[in-house]
Amino acid sequence: ETGVTQTPRHLVMGMTNKKSLKCEQHLGHNAMYWYKQSAKKPLELMFVYSLEERVENNSVPSRFSPECPNSSHLFLHLHTLQPEDSALYLCASSQDIEVNEKLFFGSGTQLSVL
Amino acid sequence: GESVGLHLPTLSVQEGDNSIINCAYSNSASDYFIWYKQESGKGPQFIIDIRSNMDKRQGQRVTVLLNKTVKHLSLQIAATQPGDSAVYFCAENIGEDSGAGSYQLTFGKGTKLSVIP
Repeated sequence: ETGVTQTPRHLVMGMTNKKSLKCEQHLGHNAMYWYKQSAKKPLELMFVYSLEERVENNSVPSRFSPECPNSSHLFLHLHTLQPEDSALYLCASSQDIEVNEKLFFGSGTQLSVL
Repeated sequence: GESVGLHLPTLSVQEGDNSIINCAYSNSASDYFIWYKQESGKGPQFIIDIRSNMDKRQGQRVTVLLNKTVKHLSLQIAATQPGDSAVYFCAENIGEDSGAGSYQLTFGKGTKLSVIP
């Protein structure tokens, strides 16, 4: 148990659906992240929040919409996804973003888009 | 472009043997390196890190070696156990002096380690 909890663990959705992924960290960290993990590809950073402010948006399509209501919670809202968006979506947190620190990952949400 | 990569995508070792997982990097500005372990159905878990002012760092049953001359990083696992079966990722970053933060890590694709009982 890393202190980062993601729900749901698995999600199957159609291309016209709207769903949300939830992440909660119990570590008192100030930074939270969304990563995408596809088969045979390195981890891809999607979004970074520091103290609830978005820091980084790595050219992610607008069909992915993050929300960080407080420093402990992070959401990823999904709408009109494509089959190529099927992947493992990982949430992570770290104490801060200014320095190189350990990232603590959740177990991920395995997303399948039909 | 500059990237982090792995020499071997899969590695099978006998239980009790030592494992060596290799990683090559090409960004000469990188001076911070991390190894993560990802077990099936779980997220990556931090194993060990090393900064470029060191060439070796040891943890519990794990050792990371850094060769800056040839831009090579390796993870050695002593007395490999079935619980070590996982995918191992290396990641690199430039140093804080250059303004880097935790979110600027570049990850490799991973090496799958299988331990044969």
